[in-house]
Amino acid sequence: EADIYQTPRYLVIGTGKKITLECSQTMGHDKMYWYQQDPGMELHLIHYSYGVNSTEKGDLSSESTVSRIRTEHFPLTLESARPSHTSQYLCASRGLAMGTQYFGPGTRLLVL
Amino acid sequence: EDQVTQSPEALRLQEGESSSLNCSYTVSGLRGLFWYRQDPGKGPEFLFTLYSAGEEKEKERLKATLTKKESFLHITAPKPEDSATYLCAVQAGGSYGQNFVFGPGTRLSVLP
Repeated sequence: EADIYQTPRYLVIGTGKKITLECSQTMGHDKMYWYQQDPGMELHLIHYSYGVNSTEKGDLSSESTVSRIRTEHFPLTLESARPSHTSQYLCASRGLAMGTQYFGPGTRLLVL
Repeated sequence: EDQVTQSPEALRLQEGESSSLNCSYTVSGLRGLFWYRQDPGKGPEFLFTLYSAGEEKEKERLKATLTKKESFLHITAPKPEDSATYLCAVQAGGSYGQNFVFGPGTRLSVLP
């Protein structure tokens, strides 16, 4: 079973607030990912990282930023939340030699 | 452009009624095809990875198969606890992070 954690699980916040969604994994995986998923819709990649100090933007344009200072930690930050950011955010990690991604439980974000 | 489609969009089965879910893909240089199960409000849970045409994987009531253009997830004698959304994803050749493409999923309901 994969050990990947996300906090908070649920967040309700007002427009304009700065928020950070946390993601941590204890598997030593070098690759980590952030996806956005609206209800009943497919996952869209918003950020990924090959390893420490490596971050790239994904297919879906996003106003969020990420950092990778430690292998196990990949936080996502929204400087100014808007109602359009309301969604579920999923973090995933992948080991160097393995094909699959392991997902965290997700953070459901509601911006009022 | 790499694409993944899944059919049907939703499927309702009676307990014990076997069926198959389809995942069709168009990618340049398939590196792997992945099946996940996703329960409402949770992150996807890894089921199978298939790497080459003709490959098959089995786990309990599930069996995944792969051809050059599509993959099937066969569900034999399903139980109500098999109800979930089943996601298919492909990884194509190229850079590490941007080429996991997910399909929209098939929502499976198994009625007792």
